[in-house]
Amino acid sequence: EAQVTQNPRYLITVTGKKLTVTCSQNMNHEYMSWYRQDPGLGLRQIYYSMNVEVTDKGDVPEGYKVSRKEKRNFPLILESPSPNQTSLYFCASSWTSGIPYNEEFFGPGTRLTVL
Amino acid sequence: AQSVAQPEDQVNVAEGNPLTVKCTYSVSGNPYLFWYVQYPNRGLQFLLKYITGDNLVKGSYGFEAEFNKSQTSFHLKKPSALVSDSALYFCAVNYGNMLTFGGGTRLMVKP
Repeated sequence: EAQVTQNPRYLITVTGKKLTVTCSQNMNHEYMSWYRQDPGLGLRQIYYSMNVEVTDKGDVPEGYKVSRKEKRNFPLILESPSPNQTSLYFCASSWTSGIPYNEEFFGPGTRLTVL
Repeated sequence: AQSVAQPEDQVNVAEGNPLTVKCTYSVSGNPYLFWYVQYPNRGLQFLLKYITGDNLVKGSYGFEAEFNKSQTSFHLKKPSALVSDSALYFCAVNYGNMLTFGGGTRLMVKP
């Protein structure tokens, strides 16, 4: 089954404790991205990657890191989480060939609480 | 910079009635517009998109959207609402490899 998976689905942590949220897709998509969803603000893009070893900042990259060492994986790293990073996080993927601006496939989300 | 506005936080409609969820956008150049739906405790699912061509775009689950360049709008519509359409709907614009979302509109369809 074609899908985007995220782990963990729920995470409660404390301020300053480094964490990683993993994202993996099995559709051979070149493009992957991370979003955070906050009430009334919709989804805001954190980082995106056009392909392996190519990453770029989205609208709200502060406090986050990403890496793209393999095509299928795109982990989100919070080196020193703070309470304002409490949010619902979504990973998404898409292909970049063919017609421009293809729709993205979203993972199920990771609910992060930073105390 | 691009932006998307969804002026209604919530839309209430009776089952069987037509529904409209509004979206306006601001982008320099040609917009690439999308609608996504989010059901409770789920990720977003793609509904439809406008890239170019016919202003009326048909998508999944009987939804359609009308692109209006002069009004910079991309309203989502359905002729007859179902209770199962109740969900959170997001409009988005893609420009320069970045997808910008509106704040979302909660659609409540009552039996």
